[in-house]
Amino acid sequence: EAQVTQNPRYLITVTGKKLTVTCSQNMNHEYMSWYRQDPGLGLRQIYYSMNVEVTDKGDVPEGYKVSRKEKRNFPLILESPSPNQTSLYFCASSSQGFLNQPQHFGDGTRLSIL
Amino acid sequence: RKEVEQDPGPFNVPEGATVAFNCTYSNSASQSFFWYRQDCRKEPKLLMSVYSSGNEDGRFTAQLNRASQYISLLIRDSKLSDSATYLCVVNPNTNAGKSTFGDGTTLTVKP
Repeated sequence: EAQVTQNPRYLITVTGKKLTVTCSQNMNHEYMSWYRQDPGLGLRQIYYSMNVEVTDKGDVPEGYKVSRKEKRNFPLILESPSPNQTSLYFCASSSQGFLNQPQHFGDGTRLSIL
Repeated sequence: RKEVEQDPGPFNVPEGATVAFNCTYSNSASQSFFWYRQDCRKEPKLLMSVYSSGNEDGRFTAQLNRASQYISLLIRDSKLSDSATYLCVVNPNTNAGKSTFGDGTTLTVKP
């Protein structure tokens, strides 16, 4: 089954404790992206990747890091999480870029930073 | 001004009603447009792409007005199952990785 898999689905942690949210897709997609969604707001793009070893900032990259060492994986790293990063996070992928192709989303990760 | 703006609603309509949402965008060079549906904080799912000539999929019709810089979604004969948040997505033509979502319009269809 074609899918985007995020882990963990839920995480409660404390300020300053480094964490990684993994994202993996099995569709051989070149493009991947991370979004956060806060109450009453749409999705805001954090980082995106157009291919292996090619990443770029989205609209809200501060406090986040990403890497794309393999085509299928695109982990989101919070080196020193803070309460304002409490949010619902989505990973997405697309076959040929978001310009003309729809995005496939993971189930989301609910992150709470205390 | 936000790059992509939607009326947040909520839109409360009876079953069988016709309802329309608009989404305005500020970048006149935007090239691709989509409507996604999101149920109660679950993952967004593609509803339909929006083509220049307009397109229809069953009860759903999407249109693009480049001159006025907005896209629209029309839902005919609303069903209870149409209750959701509808997100528009606008992508600039210069960067295939960049994607901007509207904040969403909430629709509730009532019996």
